[in-house]
Amino acid sequence: EVQLVESGGGFVQPGGSLRLSCAASGFTFNNYWMTWVRQAPGKGLEWVANIKQDGREKYYVDSLKGRFTVSRDNAKNSLYLQMDSLRAEDTAVYYCGRALEREKNDAFDVWGQGTMVTVSS
Amino acid sequence: QSALTQPPSASGSPGQSVAISCTGTSSDVGGYNYVSWYQQRPGQAPKLMIYEVTKRPSGVPDRFSGSKSGNTASLTVSGLQAEDEADYYCSSYAGSNNLVFGGGTKLTVL
Repeated sequence: EVQLVESGGGFVQPGGSLRLSCAASGFTFNNYWMTWVRQAPGKGLEWVANIKQDGREKYYVDSLKGRFTVSRDNAKNSLYLQMDSLRAEDTAVYYCGRALEREKNDAFDVWGQGTMVTVSS
Repeated sequence: QSALTQPPSASGSPGQSVAISCTGTSSDVGGYNYVSWYQQRPGQAPKLMIYEVTKRPSGVPDRFSGSKSGNTASLTVSGLQAEDEADYYCSSYAGSNNLVFGGGTKLTVL
């Protein structure tokens, strides 16, 4: 079964850091672009970052550049999101996703269940 | 990277058709044929319904269709069913390997 499972969410104080993980199974992980998308409570989806198959190309939404870092470990079939200098507005459910097609990064058809990050003092 | 514009809500009766619009600019929707649509039910992850403006992934009913004219893309749901009630989000490639989502539309089946 093709599956993505996020972990690592939780409560963190403003200014703190958190590292999210996304474990992939059921497909050849290193064949696909991967993405992180977040959703603040009661709000819409927001694209966060994409990472290419080999991890050498990474792209971020402008508003998060410098605070968030996406990475992957193909040997461990895992995707990561390092989040630093967290702010209250980063509070959201974070989803990881897999690209629909191997060489494209515009549409994502496999998603995890999401992990909640709450930034509060 | 401004969010694409969607109507907050849409509705229709069972069996009817409803269209949801997604308006961007020539830098995203109008500039590329890489518009996707996602369905999201409460408490669930997004589900890809349409990609590359008009294509349906395997398993998505053909009641769902996509189109684009200029800077506006549309998702049409024909033969509305109760199970179609959900939030719908468009997304578009926005150049330089960036993506942008719309604000979402809550579809109510009356």
